[in-house]
Amino acid sequence: DAGITQSPRHKVTETGTPVTLRCHQTENHRYMYWYRQDPGHGLRLIHYSYGVKDTDKGEVSDGYSVSRSKTEDFLLTLESATSSQTSVYFCAISDRGDEFETQYFGPGTRLLVL
Amino acid sequence: GDSVTQMEGPVTLSEEAFLTINCTYTATGYPSLFWYVQYPGEGLQLLLKATKADDKGSNKGFEATYRKETTSFHLEKGSVQVSDSAVYFCALSDGAGSQGNLIFGKGTKLSVKP
Repeated sequence: DAGITQSPRHKVTETGTPVTLRCHQTENHRYMYWYRQDPGHGLRLIHYSYGVKDTDKGEVSDGYSVSRSKTEDFLLTLESATSSQTSVYFCAISDRGDEFETQYFGPGTRLLVL
Repeated sequence: GDSVTQMEGPVTLSEEAFLTINCTYTATGYPSLFWYVQYPGEGLQLLLKATKADDKGSNKGFEATYRKETTSFHLEKGSVQVSDSAVYFCALSDGAGSQGNLIFGKGTKLSVKP
């Protein structure tokens, strides 16, 4: 199994509260991704990173920001959480970031915004 | 834009039944195609993939053939087991600077009864 951990695994928070989710990898992969999983939508890309301090937006980036100060860590921040951000969040990694490559997923973080 | 459509679930089968989960795609380029599986409470893991037309991906008794003429990548297994109960996601990764970003279908939940 790829060495990917996510923290916290579960979180309950209130509307308007800032929340930071962490993804940590031990594979030294260059690319890291944040997805959200919602019923009826599959997984949708929020943001991704192609190197330290290099990030870009995905399909559903509004309301989210990311940071990557080290190869191994990719942080997802909800500046002011809303109920629509209740979801399961998955981090993924890949080495080359090309279309042929497998992405490896973390175990997920279940976030409930009340 | 690119998209993936897979059959709605849930799908309920008896053990040893034949499984087909349909997946079709729309893409501007020549994508790679993937099937990921998510077991209860876990992250996604790659089941199989195909990176060019007419390629067949296979793993754990599952197969899927990349059909460019019908833009399809249907997942099949000849004899399912209870342990195959999971959610299955079809996905594509397009080239042309996609940075390996995956576009997922909505997922199909499979339940196999003994």
